[in-house]
This record gives sequence, structure tokens and C-alpha cells, in this order.
Amino acid sequence: EIVLTQSPGTLSVSPGERATLSCRASQSVSSSYLAWYQQKPGQAPRLLIYGASSRATGIPDRFSGSGSGTDFTLTISRLEPEDFAMYYCQQYGSSPPWTFGQGTKVEIK
Amino acid sequence: QVTLRESGPALVKPTQTLTLTCTFSGFSLSTTGMCVNWIRQPPGKALEWLARVDWDDDKYYSTSLKTRLTISKDTSRNQVVLTMTNMDPVDTGTYYCARIQATSSGWSGIDYWGQGTLVTVSS
Repeated sequence: EIVLTQSPGTLSVSPGERATLSCRASQSVSSSYLAWYQQKPGQAPRLLIYGASSRATGIPDRFSGSGSGTDFTLTISRLEPEDFAMYYCQQYGSSPPWTFGQGTKVEIK
Repeated sequence: QVTLRESGPALVKPTQTLTLTCTFSGFSLSTTGMCVNWIRQPPGKALEWLARVDWDDDKYYSTSLKTRLTISKDTSRNQVVLTMTNMDPVDTGTYYCARIQATSSGWSGIDYWGQGTLVTVSS
């Protein structure tokens, strides 16, 4: 089973600044099947990025994903007030079991 | 318009069996590539993938929970059912059903989620 480790646990950023979130896998993620989700309190997660770098429908272009193998990054280029939330990475390569990271909280500095 | 909705008991006692139903619309589980997952989240904690059922009735389970989980689909009723046996207080959390599909381009990511149902395990 692939273990995903996200860092940092909490990221304090000012609105308008850039945020960089990391997700490291314990083994290579096949076909770059790595997704990023945003979750706000009391809400279901929302798909942001799939296939490591493809934005989901309706996601603003300030969100971008990169990486391959075992190292992946989510970048939010200019933080908007609505971007302060929890972010999870998930690997869904080959056959399950699939796994999520433990999350990164992006909070207002 | 794709929607998913979870239903089931809000409270179960330890050792009981939990049965959750996911009722969906806007897609069919008989369509090639379509899959439905169950994912849970303990209060204040991370997401945990539990199980998946595919259009061709293939089924997959969490390694740590597979002895307790059963997933099934009723294509005609647009429903997916998850049962979890021997419930324990540590199983308390919000349970989500969510869709993913495989296309000729590959997997899309889990693109539609239900709103979740909170299950509390307590005597």
C-alpha cells in the first residue's frame, strides 16, 4: 500500500501570496495518478487536480499541479480568501487500495 | 446533473453492522468505466478510502478493513450499498460515496461526492 506524506501540516500565508504544498509517496505512483482535493469545514472534498497536473472542470488557473514518480506539488499562485482550507492528495494508480495523505491546512497569516 | 446521496443510521452500537446506501443520479453504473467509492473521515482527521465497485462488478477494499467490508451495486435502482461489520467507536465519522470514471484517456479523479452522512458508534 502506498503511503502519502504531505508537508507542511499547516501553511500560514497572506492573501495574494503563493502557496506550495508537497505530497511525497512511499513508492512510485503509476501513470501519475495523483489527485488534489480541497475541503472546507462541513463540506465534501472538491477535486482540484487529477493526473498530477490536469485541472478539473471549473477550477481557476491559479491552481496548478506538478510532479511525477514519488514527488508531487500543488501550487496556488495568488491566494484568494476562499482558498483557505484543507488540501489532500490522493493516489489512484493501478489497482486499489487507494490512499490519501494526511492533509495540509492553508491558513491566513 | 450528477448527484450522490448517502443514507443510513446516524447512530449504531458497538459490535453492530452498519449498512449505508448511496443513491445516485446523472450517470449509470452500467456504463463502461464508471465506478463508485466509499470514503470516510473521522472528526477532525484525514480522508480514508474504504471500497470501490466498478461497472463490471469488480470490487476492491481497504487492506486494513477488507474483512469487515462488503460493497454491492443495484444498477437498476442506481444504488451502491456498503456494509461494515463489528462497528467500534473508532469507526465514528462522516461516510461519503463518490464517483470516479475511467475513460480512454485514463482515470479522472474522484469528481463527484455526496454530502456525507455522519455515523456515530456509541452504546
